[in-house]
Amino acid sequence: GAVVSQHPSRVICKSGTSVKIECRSLDFQATTMFWYRQFPKQSLMLMATSNEGSKATYEQGVEKDKFLINHASLTLSTLTVTSAHPEDSSFYICSALTSGGATDTQYFGPGTRLTVL
Amino acid sequence: QKEVEQNSGPLSVPEGAIASLNCTYSDRGSQSFFWYRQYSGKSPELIMSIYSNGDKEDGRFTAQLNKASQYVSLLIRDSQPSDSATYLCAALWGKFQFGAGTQVVVTP
Repeated sequence: GAVVSQHPSRVICKSGTSVKIECRSLDFQATTMFWYRQFPKQSLMLMATSNEGSKATYEQGVEKDKFLINHASLTLSTLTVTSAHPEDSSFYICSALTSGGATDTQYFGPGTRLTVL
Repeated sequence: QKEVEQNSGPLSVPEGAIASLNCTYSDRGSQSFFWYRQYSGKSPELIMSIYSNGDKEDGRFTAQLNKASQYVSLLIRDSQPSDSATYLCAALWGKFQFGAGTQVVVTP
């Protein structure tokens, strides 16, 4: 299957700082990537859809000025959590969409665990 | 109204038995369906996709799709303790819709 990487895998930061998370599709080009957040024992929550070369589409209730998304190339999307606070502590997961073949398919990165002190 | 529904479980399955997971969806326009496995603390990994009515087999896994009844299921044969995880069902119609997941616990 397609491989998606994320960096860093884990980050601890102080309240008020910004954190950037990178999501890369390693062996395919992804016009579309997705960013999810997952709290312990809860479902995946889609935050935004990232499209290469255009502005991201945010889900209702997700602050676009707090969660900055940049999809500058066909293999890289970044999520920046600005002025992070303890309530932003969560597991952030990206996925990349492969197109063509029988159906579009999402492949997930390994996730980034963010802890804000 | 949830668009993709799964029983949350936990579904307890003896080792070596068949685990049967079900998923229903609300939109008849759904085109493709996916099963993902998510271990605790990890991200989801794709098990298989299905888009035609009937069965699709891949190793110990079989996905079944019935578009008329709007359900998709996953069978895990010869269940192993390593199959203990949460299984997510997803449907694609324009955008991906995920179910909340079914927790499976395989007991030795």
